[in-house]
Amino acid sequence: SAVISQKPSRDICQRGTSLTIQCQVDSQVTMMFWYRQQPGQSLTLIATANQGSEATYESGFVIDKFPISRPNLTFSTLTVSNMSPEDSSIYLCSVYRIRLAENQETQYFGPGTRLLVL
Amino acid sequence: QQQVKQSPQSLIVQKGGISIINCAYENTAFDYFPWYQQFPGKGPALLIAIRPDVSEKKEGRFTISFNKSAKQFSLHIMDSQPGDSATYFCAAYTTGSARQLTFGSGTQLTVLP
Repeated sequence: SAVISQKPSRDICQRGTSLTIQCQVDSQVTMMFWYRQQPGQSLTLIATANQGSEATYESGFVIDKFPISRPNLTFSTLTVSNMSPEDSSIYLCSVYRIRLAENQETQYFGPGTRLLVL
Repeated sequence: QQQVKQSPQSLIVQKGGISIINCAYENTAFDYFPWYQQFPGKGPALLIAIRPDVSEKKEGRFTISFNKSAKQFSLHIMDSQPGDSATYFCAAYTTGSARQLTFGSGTQLTVLP
C-alpha cells in the first residue's frame, strides 16, 4: 500500500492569489498524478508528474495555471495560480503501484485538499 | 468526452439487498478496469478490479461482471449494508506505460437500515 498525506487539508483563498498544495508519499514512487474533483462530481486528471521530467498536462490544464514540482520520488507540489471561484474544488494527489505477483494495479489517493476561492 | 459512462447516478437499496452499478466504454485501448469507493471527505480507494480476459471476479460481497464484446462491466454488491453507503466510481486504464486512469461519473449509493 501507499500512505499519502496532503497539506493543507483545506483552505479558503481570495481571488487572484495562489495556493501550493503539498503531497508526501511514504515510499518512493515513479508516477504521481494530480486530480481535481468538483463537489459531487467525478475525478479529472490534471497532470502526471514523473520525477526527473516535466509534468504532462491533460487537455484543458496548462502549466502557467497549475505549475507542478517533483523534486524527488516521495514528494510533489501543485500550485493553483491566480485563483478564481471556478477553481474551488478538491485537489487530490495520487500514486500508481503495481503488484506483479497478484497481477494487480492500484492507484492510491491522498485525502484531498478542499479549496474554496472567494 | 466521457469515455466511461456510468449509471445510475444515485441508487437507494434496502439493507440486505443487491446493489448493481453499470459502466460502458468505447475505447478498446482500455486494458484494466478498477472500481473505487469514496466516502465523504476521503480520497477514493480501490475496491476491486478486473482484466478484460476475465468475465467475472468476486471478492467477498463484491463482484465485477465483465462483457468484453458489449464493452460493459458492472459492480454487484451482495447483502448491501449501511456501511457500504458511499460513492462508487468505475474506471479504466489505457494501454501503455503511462497508465492513465479514466473515471466514470460516479454513483452515490445509499443503503437504508
